[in-house]
Amino acid sequence: EAGVAQSPRYKIIEKRQSVAFWCNPISGHATLYWYQQILGQGPKLLIQFQNNGVVDDSQLPKDRFSAERLKGVDSTLKIQPAKLEDSAVYLCASSLRMANNYGYTFGSGTRLTVV
Amino acid sequence: AQTVTQSQPEMSVQEAETVTLSCTYDTSESDYYLFWYKQPPSRQMILVIRQEAYKQQNATENRFSVNFQKAAKSFSLKISDSQLGDAAMYFCAYRSGLESGSRLTFGEGTQLTVNP
Repeated sequence: EAGVAQSPRYKIIEKRQSVAFWCNPISGHATLYWYQQILGQGPKLLIQFQNNGVVDDSQLPKDRFSAERLKGVDSTLKIQPAKLEDSAVYLCASSLRMANNYGYTFGSGTRLTVV
Repeated sequence: AQTVTQSQPEMSVQEAETVTLSCTYDTSESDYYLFWYKQPPSRQMILVIRQEAYKQQNATENRFSVNFQKAAKSFSLKISDSQLGDAAMYFCAYRSGLESGSRLTFGEGTQLTVNP
């Protein structure tokens, strides 16, 4: 089966600019996650979708971050305006259902550098 | 809130030797799952091994095994017969057993170097 696809792989922007990341989960996976991984740290959940509804966005900085999952398939994560501290790898992951005991399948992430 | 701690930022091992990576966690829940993920330079997180908290038997996957001590809230990973391809960042992760608690909480990671 195809894995979780993410694009772009790298992105460099200036602070205060906007940026968007795209994720295509594994076909049939109802649950989709966006994680932020700052250099030298473990990933931290930003937002979780179940189909096209938000389940958990408690750690999403809503003043600048937004995400959507139209039609319960692809998802887009946006940052507007970006700050220097947003430099990180943004990982997308998906699982067949929410209470999946086998972990998730992760994509290769987008490395964002804000200068 | 649950926390996961990996106290070894870096570890090294000789090829074909055995290495153990440490992980401790804090939770008030009795039902949960623990995972070890491997992250090579490609950045993709790869599941290495998982453990259900209700199982007393330690999980094993080929050269990878865990030492799960529920009372001590400890979950270490043992890699036997280390190979050059094992070199990567390793993350310990926790997931609640609740139906709604599917978020993974990760530790800070341990960078493993395998020396030829």
